[in-house]
Amino acid sequence: ETGVTQSPTHLIKTRGQQVTLRCSSQSGHNTVSWYQQALGQGPQFIFQYYREEENGRGNFPPRFSGLQFPNYSSELNVNALELDDSALYLCASSVGLLADNEQFFGPGTRLTVL
Amino acid sequence: SQQGEEDPQALSIQEGENATMNCSYKTSINNLQWYRQNSGRGLVHLILIRSNEREKHSGRLRVTLDTSKKSSSLLITASRAADTASYFCATDARGYSTLTFGKGTMLLVSP
Repeated sequence: ETGVTQSPTHLIKTRGQQVTLRCSSQSGHNTVSWYQQALGQGPQFIFQYYREEENGRGNFPPRFSGLQFPNYSSELNVNALELDDSALYLCASSVGLLADNEQFFGPGTRLTVL
Repeated sequence: SQQGEEDPQALSIQEGENATMNCSYKTSINNLQWYRQNSGRGLVHLILIRSNEREKHSGRLRVTLDTSKKSSSLLITASRAADTASYFCATDARGYSTLTFGKGTMLLVSP
């Protein structure tokens, strides 16, 4: 078990709705990255937050947005949900931005869009 | 898009046997990492190998990296049923912590 927690564990939404997923980073970590993992695929990078600022974004549309709070916890918001948004959403926390620093992943939120 | 491709997609072995998984990637990297994922849950970091390293060991794990072929391999020796999981390689093209993952290898270790 890492010190990274995510909520909720599971979520079912319908197409067109909006969803907010939450991530609490490990103590002392100031960087949070979000990944989407479709069934049978590897995780795909959505975006990263460092000290409350977005530090990079993958190939995801603007309806995927995020936020990082002063305590370094983070939210992922998805608007206008589509069926293809059904996936496991993972957050990872780390210290700083260098890849040498180990990333600790949370257990994920399983989102199902009907 | 996926940076790496793991091979094989699935591997089934008996306890005590060795398991070898391969990863190929497309662009230059600074580091390559291997992760394990149990039953579609969170990822667990196994090992990081830097682009200037050729081999690294950690317990029963041995990782090799060939930057000229843009490939890496993960060897798990004396496998156990608890090693059953999906294994992913991940690369960081810029040295920053935004990782690009492959599609993974599903390993099944039977008692």
